[in-house]
Amino acid sequence: NAGVTQTPKFQVLKTGQSMTLQCAQDMNHEYMSWYRQDPGMGLRLIHYSVGAGITDQGEVPNGYNVSRSTTEDFPLRLLSAAPSQTSVYFCASSGEVSTEQFFGPGTRLTVL
Amino acid sequence: AQTVTQSQPEMSVQEAETVTLSCTYDTSESDYYLFWYKQPPSRQMILVIRQEAYKQQNATENRFSVNFQKAAKSFSLKISDSQLGDAAMYFCAYRSHNYGQNFVFGPGTRLSVLP
Repeated sequence: NAGVTQTPKFQVLKTGQSMTLQCAQDMNHEYMSWYRQDPGMGLRLIHYSVGAGITDQGEVPNGYNVSRSTTEDFPLRLLSAAPSQTSVYFCASSGEVSTEQFFGPGTRLTVL
Repeated sequence: AQTVTQSQPEMSVQEAETVTLSCTYDTSESDYYLFWYKQPPSRQMILVIRQEAYKQQNATENRFSVNFQKAAKSFSLKISDSQLGDAAMYFCAYRSHNYGQNFVFGPGTRLSVLP
């Protein structure tokens, strides 16, 4: 049972490049989400999903796309990277409403 | 919309002493869940403790306990017998009882443990 996995752990992009951050969980959780963490701002929700085929925007969705074709995977796409997207990105999942979110190890993204 | 406030950006405590981290939240709901997460320098988010709003009894996990005051919308975390390994960022989080509702996180408190 690997829990929540994220790849890559580190990434450097140039402005305008696109890329996909991968997230997978093996706990059969319906709820998955993506956060970004910036210094002094805690965790801000980018996009979330309550099940396969269902996604919705969070607090800071601009510049990011998601899809949820399977229960296990929830990739985050940066369409055209900007320096403002330099951050640490966390993927998380949860099952029943009363349980906590399980977090992946995070991806540190730098956009030059 | 719900909000979570942590009014102490930084705290410090002597090893073996007790420290309390504050958290307040704003909601119109009566049924919800509250969490404290710890984020050490490794960056991994680790659940410390969980509280269901319908339970009056304060949750306890070993050296960690909460003081849940529902009427005051307060959810503080007490760490007893502080250890060097407790040094981390601590985040308070809220989740509605309604499935599909998102977690709302506070801005965090950075705890330093002094030897």
